[in-house]
Amino acid sequence: GQQVMQIPQYQHVQEGEDFTTYCNSSTTLSNIQWYKQRPGGHPVFLIQLVKSGEVKKQKRLTFQFGEAKKNSSLHITATQTTDVGTYFCAGLDSNYQLIWGAGTKLIIKP
Amino acid sequence: DTGVSQDPRHKITKRGQNVTFRCDPISEHNRLYWYRQTLGQGPEFLTYFQNEAQLEKSRLLSDRFSAERPKGSFSTLEIQRTEQGDSAMYLCASSLRGSGRSYNEQFFGPGTRLTVL
Repeated sequence: GQQVMQIPQYQHVQEGEDFTTYCNSSTTLSNIQWYKQRPGGHPVFLIQLVKSGEVKKQKRLTFQFGEAKKNSSLHITATQTTDVGTYFCAGLDSNYQLIWGAGTKLIIKP
Repeated sequence: DTGVSQDPRHKITKRGQNVTFRCDPISEHNRLYWYRQTLGQGPEFLTYFQNEAQLEKSRLLSDRFSAERPKGSFSTLEIQRTEQGDSAMYLCASSLRGSGRSYNEQFFGPGTRLTVL
């Protein structure tokens, strides 16, 4: 079945360093959503991208949707402790099912 | 609290027993979703409702799983003859209907953690 691959599985950064997670789909997606899940919490919606090549920014977070609508990325500039959690992408496939990536866990090194 | 609520928050059961979970969505939301999440994985789509109609169901979903939303408000998810592999967090989410068949922002509940012994 269709899958959305998300890498890396974990990323350890020093506070103040940047963080990036990538999602790749084998087929074209109608749109892609990004969610954040804090440890012990539930997913919280961050943003939705719909257009080919779309770029959206939320303060230190930059989201991109690829030209072919098969890949997406989330980049966080100058990470802070409040950024800790797992970031998920979720893509809407041709069957109108939301397919979730496995997530990238952001860990701040002590 | 006007968010999505789920009950119970934790359920421990023995293999072979039936369990039922309840989800109360945000009141004005007409879409309701059920997901399953295991440790280290993203949410796995199970099914979703638009009002009382069940519009999509995962092709991977066992026939031991059934969901209802009889009045278009709260929903129940029942698992019959539970197996140890059913142990997971069961998440409910709700949203407003998107244009066409698109998806809007989903608001998640706290989940029900199921442990099958």
